[in-house]
Amino acid sequence: ETGVTQSPTHLIKTRGQQVTLRCSSQSGHNTVSWYQQALGQGPQFIFQYYREEENGRGNFPPRFSGLQFPNYSSELNVNALELDDSALYLCASSLSGREAFFGQGTRLTVV
Amino acid sequence: AQRVTQPEKLLSVFKGAPVELKCNYSYSGSPELFWYVQYSRQRLQLLLRHISRESIKGFTADLNKGETSFHLKKPFAQEEDSAMYYCALSGSNNDMRFGAGTRLTVKP
Repeated sequence: ETGVTQSPTHLIKTRGQQVTLRCSSQSGHNTVSWYQQALGQGPQFIFQYYREEENGRGNFPPRFSGLQFPNYSSELNVNALELDDSALYLCASSLSGREAFFGQGTRLTVV
Repeated sequence: AQRVTQPEKLLSVFKGAPVELKCNYSYSGSPELFWYVQYSRQRLQLLLRHISRESIKGFTADLNKGETSFHLKKPFAQEEDSAMYYCALSGSNNDMRFGAGTRLTVKP
C-alpha cells in the first residue's frame, strides 16, 4: 500500500502563468481534497473530488480548477497566477470521506 | 459561517505537566470535529476525531456543543508531543475547515 504522493515538491512560476500540480492517491481511496496553506496559517479547503466529480468547493475563484482521473489520481490547475497564490498546496485522499491521508505538499512560489 | 478558532499560536509546557490546546468553532449544524498533528518534517496526520471518542497517544478531546468547543487535552505531556496541532471541522458540503494551528513545545 503506497501513501499519497504529490509532484513536484517545489515550483517557481511567474505571475500570469498557469500551473498544474499532481497528486497520486493512496491505494483504494476514491476521494481527494486539495488545500492551500499560506505561511503561518492552517490549510484552506479548495475543493474535493469523489469518483471524478467535484463534490464540494471552498471560497476560491474559478481560476482554481481540478480533475480526478479514473485511477483516482488528481490534478490542481491554477490559471493567471497571482503573487498571493504562493503557498504550500496539500492533497489528501480518503475512502468515501473517512480518515484523510495527506501528501507532503507542493511548495509554489509565484514571482 | 463555518469557522474554527485556535486562540493560542504558541503553547509551551514542561514535561509531565498537563496540556490543553483550545479550539472553538462556529457552525449552524452538527459538525464533525477533528484534531490533526504535524510533527517536525512529517506530513499532516489525523490525531483523533470526536465521533470515535477514543484516546490517541494519551490525548482526548470532548465536543462541548454548549460552549462550541473541542479542546485537546493530555494529563502528562511528553517531549515527543512537541508538534503543530490543528483543529478542523467538517461540514455538510464536504469541506474541511482548519484553524490556524497551535505550536506545542514540551520542555524537558
